Amino acid sequence: DTEVTQTPKHLVMGMTNKKSLKCEQHMGHRAMYWYKQKAKKPPELMFVYSYEKLSINESVPSRFSPECPNSSLLNLHLHALQPEDSALYLCASSQSFIRGRGAFFGQGTRLTVV
Amino acid sequence: GENVEQHPSTLSVQEGDSAVIKCTYSDSASNYFPWYKQELGKRPQLIIDIRSNVGEKKDQRIAVTLNKTAKHFSLHITETQPEDSAVYFCATPKGGKLTFGKGITLSVRP
Repeated sequence: DTEVTQTPKHLVMGMTNKKSLKCEQHMGHRAMYWYKQKAKKPPELMFVYSYEKLSINESVPSRFSPECPNSSLLNLHLHALQPEDSALYLCASSQSFIRGRGAFFGQGTRLTVV
Repeated sequence: GENVEQHPSTLSVQEGDSAVIKCTYSDSASNYFPWYKQELGKRPQLIIDIRSNVGEKKDQRIAVTLNKTAKHFSLHITETQPEDSAVYFCATPKGGKLTFGKGITLSVRP
């Protein structure tokens, strides 16, 4: 099973709303990632969790708040977003880059901030 | 600076021809080199990868070659088909991060 599942697939939210994106994997991967992707651009790393601990935050604004409740789940809490935050949000997981294993992506959440 | 660079940004080939996409990296300590394919509206999909102790790896119509001296790795697609049309990203991991190149849009003309 090389599946990473993200919900919801689409989300429209107002600038005063609070919402959460969810990601789940059952491959036993210990590294999980959030990426943001704008149209015609490569995925841009936001956060990395390693063994359920936040190890990398790429200077992401605090209106994005990640959470890793357990080794299979990853959440991204959204609050007071701006229209420029509209993008495809991708979750990924990997066993370990050190061991030469690639990252597998979920299908993404298409977020629109109005 | 960028970990990886891809040029050109677009490539168009005739169906049945071969396509080669090149990626240049900057860190000589890099030891893992994946290629991702992203079709319009879909997720990036890992299609092939290579480790630094191997020079070439094949999987059916796709192959990846690594030139550590020149610090570049290339994706080779033979007998291209319309469904190969997509954006192809190379990437390198560094310090726990997987950083992507800007991508090359491959168009396969029927």
